Amino acid sequence: GAVVSQHPSWVICKSGTSVKIECRSLDFQATTMFWYRQFPKQSLMLMATSNEGSKATYEQGVEKDKFLINHASLTLSTLTVTSAHPEDSSFYICSARGLYTDTQYFGPGTRLTVL
Amino acid sequence: AQSVTQLGSHVSVSEGALVLLRCNYSSSVPPYLFWYVQYPNQGLQLLLKYTTGATLVKGINGFEAEFKKSETSFHLTKPSAHMSDAAEYFCAGGSQGNLIFGKGTKLSVKP
Repeated sequence: GAVVSQHPSWVICKSGTSVKIECRSLDFQATTMFWYRQFPKQSLMLMATSNEGSKATYEQGVEKDKFLINHASLTLSTLTVTSAHPEDSSFYICSARGLYTDTQYFGPGTRLTVL
Repeated sequence: AQSVTQLGSHVSVSEGALVLLRCNYSSSVPPYLFWYVQYPNQGLQLLLKYTTGATLVKGINGFEAEFKKSETSFHLTKPSAHMSDAAEYFCAGGSQGNLIFGKGTKLSVKP
């Protein structure tokens, strides 16, 4: 149980385009989803927290207009990187948490490369 | 400030040897503690977690960790390392699902 998927697993795009990453909880209802960014050989940096049906809460320094998060259902959250630039290239990982648990279950990650 | 500190960014052991990965947390971190493992180009997999109850927690793949409040530690151990244990390990603490991560420890296993 507690499986989280991400799609796509990797994506290459041109500078200036937008990219959408999906995060799905496959076998449980995720009341809260988290989006992280991980730079090479570094730890995870929390970007934002989203609760189903509410606006996401962004961490300090994360541009909410650039990283659009939607959590429209209990099993799906999306992260859209708008007008992507090479510095946005990174590994993006989502996680999901159910209602009565403190445990986050992580997706496999999405490797974004912006040319 | 809340923090989780992993001592040693890189640990190398021989196959069959004891694995010890250290994690300390600040006393302000709520005592929900986790160990995750990350293989290259993959997400994080939960190894084990401490929330309440027994302070010695057993996880998957033969790993276990002991919560020591007096030492604010939650070290991860495995009696005998396998080559397949080579990965990055993250200690994390938090509550209500909001996690504070350590910087990670890369475990290498020599044949």
